[in-house]
Amino acid sequence: KQEVTQIPAALSVPEGENLVLNCSFTDSAIYNLQWFRQDPGKGLTSLLLIQSSQREQTSGRLNASLDKSSGRSTLYIAASQPGDSATYLCAVSQTNYGGSQGNLIFGKGTKLSVKP
Amino acid sequence: ETGVTQTPRHLVMGMTNKKSLKCEQHLGHNAMYWYKQSAKKPLELMFVYNFKEQTENNSVPSRFSPECPNSSHLFLHLHTLQPEDSALYLCASSQHWTDGNTIYFGEGSWLTVV
Repeated sequence: KQEVTQIPAALSVPEGENLVLNCSFTDSAIYNLQWFRQDPGKGLTSLLLIQSSQREQTSGRLNASLDKSSGRSTLYIAASQPGDSATYLCAVSQTNYGGSQGNLIFGKGTKLSVKP
Repeated sequence: ETGVTQTPRHLVMGMTNKKSLKCEQHLGHNAMYWYKQSAKKPLELMFVYNFKEQTENNSVPSRFSPECPNSSHLFLHLHTLQPEDSALYLCASSQHWTDGNTIYFGEGSWLTVV
């Protein structure tokens, strides 16, 4: 059974720091991996989607990498800002569901706080 | 605004009540989903609908009853719930169930069962 773990559970950094959030998964037979952001009391916003054949994706100050063989992904945030404060969730979809986008297995998230 | 709208945003119901959550997507997608987010637990998939047909029921108790009248609307009918069902219920949509493209979430409905 696929399990997704995110470390750390919470992180507090001063504004301007570069930071890395970690995600690990137990079954490497994934279709893709997504990083989401969730603001308090809100829904999820997709940040980056990495297909299983890809090694990384970039969007602005965000860079996500994927090492499928070792079951790891990292989300790198450059020059963090107070507006980056949110919970960041990692999710994988499984190949045995035909690459079902809906059958996402989520981690519990990393709660990020960026202090001004 | 993600194009997925959920109502109501907040709902308090007694264990003997019957209520419904509504989700509408304006993205022209064909797949819609219900997820449950409980405190201290990862998001859990509940149901998947693809072209109005239910394709996944993730062992959800029968006190949760989904309905998908068309590709744009999804309901979650609730009856005789338990306090442990209190959670954030998230609706989502994507172009197709298996296309590997981005999934879009609504802002959720906070449910409290008293």
